[in-house]
Amino acid sequence: GQQVMQIPQYQHVQEGEDFTTYCNSSTTLSNIQWYKQRPGGHPVFLIQLVKSGEVKKQKRLTFQFGEAKKNSSLHITATQTTDVGTYFCAERMTNFGNEKLTFGTGTRLTIIP
Amino acid sequence: EPEVTQTPSHQVTQMGQEVILRCVPISNHLYFYWYRQILGQKVEFLVSFYNNEISEKSEIFDDQFSVERPDGSNFTLKIRSTKLEDSAMYFCASIVGREDSPLHFGNGTRLTVT
Repeated sequence: GQQVMQIPQYQHVQEGEDFTTYCNSSTTLSNIQWYKQRPGGHPVFLIQLVKSGEVKKQKRLTFQFGEAKKNSSLHITATQTTDVGTYFCAERMTNFGNEKLTFGTGTRLTIIP
Repeated sequence: EPEVTQTPSHQVTQMGQEVILRCVPISNHLYFYWYRQILGQKVEFLVSFYNNEISEKSEIFDDQFSVERPDGSNFTLKIRSTKLEDSAMYFCASIVGREDSPLHFGNGTRLTVT
């Protein structure tokens, strides 16, 4: 089945450093959503990207969708301890009225204060 | 803001026992889901439910699993005869169904099979 891979699997950064996670698919993605899961919590929606080459920003977070719609990235500038968690990309597919989200493998971010 | 609610938050059961995990999706949402997350791993799709029937299920969702919407609000996941490998966090989620709408997750039920 469809596999959405993320790299890296883990990332440890010093507080204040930047962080990037990459989401890759072998097939064209219809659209991408990004979710954040705090330790012990549930995934929480961050953003959706639909158009080829789309870039969206949320404060220190920048989301990009590749031109070929086969990859996406999330970049956090100047990380803070509140950024700790696992970041998942997810492909949203709509097929004959059926909606489904397939999650990527996730990148776990830890911050060294 | 409306939330997806799940009960119980933690369920411990013995291997071979039946468990029912309960969810109340957000009231105006149309699509309902169960996802599973084994500790430290990714969130895996189990099943989607729309218009009172299963619309898609994964290979994980075998004959031991079933879902029901017994009334207008509850959405349940039943595991008929639990196995050790069913131990995981089970998330219920719902979505309105509009093009740009996100998936709303409940807080999850941690299932421990001993």
